[in-house]
Amino acid sequence: QVQLVQSGAEVRKPGSSVKVSCKASGGTFSSYTISWVRQAPGQGLEWMGGIIPIFGTPKYAQKFQGRVTITTDESTTTAYMELSSLTSEDTAVYYCAREIHSSGWNYFDYWGQGTLVTVSS
Amino acid sequence: DIQMTQSPSSLSASVGDRVTITCRASQSISSYLNWYQQKSGKAPKLLIYAASSLQSGVPSRFSGSGSGTDFTLTISSLQPEDFATYYCQQSYSTPIFTFGPGTKVDIK
Repeated sequence: QVQLVQSGAEVRKPGSSVKVSCKASGGTFSSYTISWVRQAPGQGLEWMGGIIPIFGTPKYAQKFQGRVTITTDESTTTAYMELSSLTSEDTAVYYCAREIHSSGWNYFDYWGQGTLVTVSS
Repeated sequence: DIQMTQSPSSLSASVGDRVTITCRASQSISSYLNWYQQKSGKAPKLLIYAASSLQSGVPSRFSGSGSGTDFTLTISSLQPEDFATYYCQQSYSTPIFTFGPGTKVDIK
């Protein structure tokens, strides 16, 4: 049984950065992709980017290019998402999710509990 | 980029009703379409992948169909625990993903 446990809520000032962690247990961490999805208050889901630990090369949504960095630490089976130059528009719940690749199909089958990031002066 | 739309944006239904939600892609995505359910304050949950494959543990009242650009999620007999928001997601352009805007299902 895969479990993804995220770090706690964060409050940041505009212009600063935030780093959210996602610790995975169960399964083989290095072989699956971890993606990050955010959800602004009352809004829908927005894919930000993902990384396959065994390859270490992240892929980002164009909207977040240059502002987001996704990394992994295989020794602790933890993924990280760092977002910089924060504005109030980045206030959201941030989720990590495991992306499974099965028979040519890709989907997110396990999700973290979410981390609320509030950007406020 | 592939854009996803959903209709309706919200609907009201009663327990026992048959509910259908539509998702449309801006270009053909074959069957690379997933459906998620999200309850208030909770993480999304995978219901359907590859347009019509039921995720393990998901009740059989949920079904998905479609290919190309038009897809549907059907709940054959709505249950109290099904009141939630439903999102489609395209995985055709993996590793880039796009979600639809969501359809909120609430109690009539």
